[in-house]
Amino acid sequence: DAGVIQSPRHEVTEMGQEVTLRCKLISGHNSLFWYRQTMMRGLELLIYFNNNVPIDDSGMPEDRFSAKMPNASFSTLKIQPSEPRDSAVYFCASSSTSGSFNEQFFGPGTRLTVL
Amino acid sequence: RKEVEQDPGPFNVPEGATVAFNCTYSNSASQSFFWYRQDCRKEPKLLMSVYSSGNEDGRFTAQLNRASQYISLLIRDSKLSDSATYLCVVNRWRDDKIIFGKGTRLHILP
Repeated sequence: DAGVIQSPRHEVTEMGQEVTLRCKLISGHNSLFWYRQTMMRGLELLIYFNNNVPIDDSGMPEDRFSAKMPNASFSTLKIQPSEPRDSAVYFCASSSTSGSFNEQFFGPGTRLTVL
Repeated sequence: RKEVEQDPGPFNVPEGATVAFNCTYSNSASQSFFWYRQDCRKEPKLLMSVYSSGNEDGRFTAQLNRASQYISLLIRDSKLSDSATYLCVVNRWRDDKIIFGKGTRLHILP
């Protein structure tokens, strides 16, 4: 079985541009998590969905960030407009149950650089 | 005080030695605890859950001390392949919040 798939793996863009990150869950999983990792702040949970519904988006830094889950297996994280401080590695993770924490399987991440 | 704190390290340990590091948490509400491992430029992967009674998986032992509000990870007979960053994870039951520590870097030296 394929693991969590993220694309692109690397993205370099200029300040002000729109960035869209994509994630495909592991088949059969129903919870999806978006994280951002930087040296300064570590791994931060941005938002998570359960059965396509956003449950907690309190980690989304500001209105420039939005996430959607148009179907049960796919999600996008969009940054518009992007800023240099958004440079980070963005991870998507999925798990198979809701409620209490169960093992999250992480994708390989998207390394974003905003110039 | 941060909700989850870890010594960033690095811990430089000779191969074969035993190493232990802790993770402190500030919220005493009921919650679950985990250790994840992250290799350089890779994604985090679950290493082990931390049970109240403590648990062992091969060379790895995880323990929880609720009174002092910390969890620990002990690695015995360390291998070069144990070099990684170890992330402490707290799941707060009351609001299902997931909080990662910043990680402890471990370097096993040949």
